[in-house]
Amino acid sequence: DGGITQSPKYLFRKEGQNVTLSCEQNLNHDAMYWYRQDPGQGLRLIYYSQIVNDFQKGDIAEGYSVSREKKESFPLTVTSAQKNPTAFYLCASTIGGHEETQYFGPGTRLLVL
Amino acid sequence: SQQGEEDPQALSIQEGENATMNCSYKTSINNLQWYRQNSGRGLVHLILIRSNEREKHSGRLRVTLDTSKKSSSLLITASRAADTASYFCATDAIDTGRRALTFGSGTRLQVQP
Repeated sequence: DGGITQSPKYLFRKEGQNVTLSCEQNLNHDAMYWYRQDPGQGLRLIYYSQIVNDFQKGDIAEGYSVSREKKESFPLTVTSAQKNPTAFYLCASTIGGHEETQYFGPGTRLLVL
Repeated sequence: SQQGEEDPQALSIQEGENATMNCSYKTSINNLQWYRQNSGRGLVHLILIRSNEREKHSGRLRVTLDTSKKSSSLLITASRAADTASYFCATDAIDTGRRALTFGSGTRLQVQP
């Protein structure tokens, strides 16, 4: 099966802790994206990457970090600097340009203990 | 910033009725896309309409695009309870250097059986 997987489905973070959300795709897509969604809201762009070893900040990058060492993987780290991390996090990818169809993973819900 | 804004924010209809959702945006675009999200899930692509197209159909979906008014509408005909979901428009802005889509805040559709 081709697609995007995100893990874990639920993640709990303690105060001052960094946590990493996984995003993997076997679609051979070039570009990958991370979004944050708060309850009843739309998606806000955190980071995106168009090619391996390159990524750009989105609209709300503060308190987050990413890496793109492999084409199929784009992990997101929520650092302790992100003071309000509770949200639903969605990863997506496109085969080429950002203007094309995005394929989404099932999401990770992050909760703070 | 959210370029696309959907209207209404919430819509409740009876099964069999038509549902119309509107999206407005601010800058020139290449394409406009509509996505669907079931509660707690990732987004699923519904339809993409290019800036040189005025109308597009896919099954029970009809999308229109008016680039002069910077607006789009999504019509779902003969709605079913299974259409209950949130619907988002997404745009790609031309000439901004941003290589990512911008999503609106969504319309929450409830179809009563």
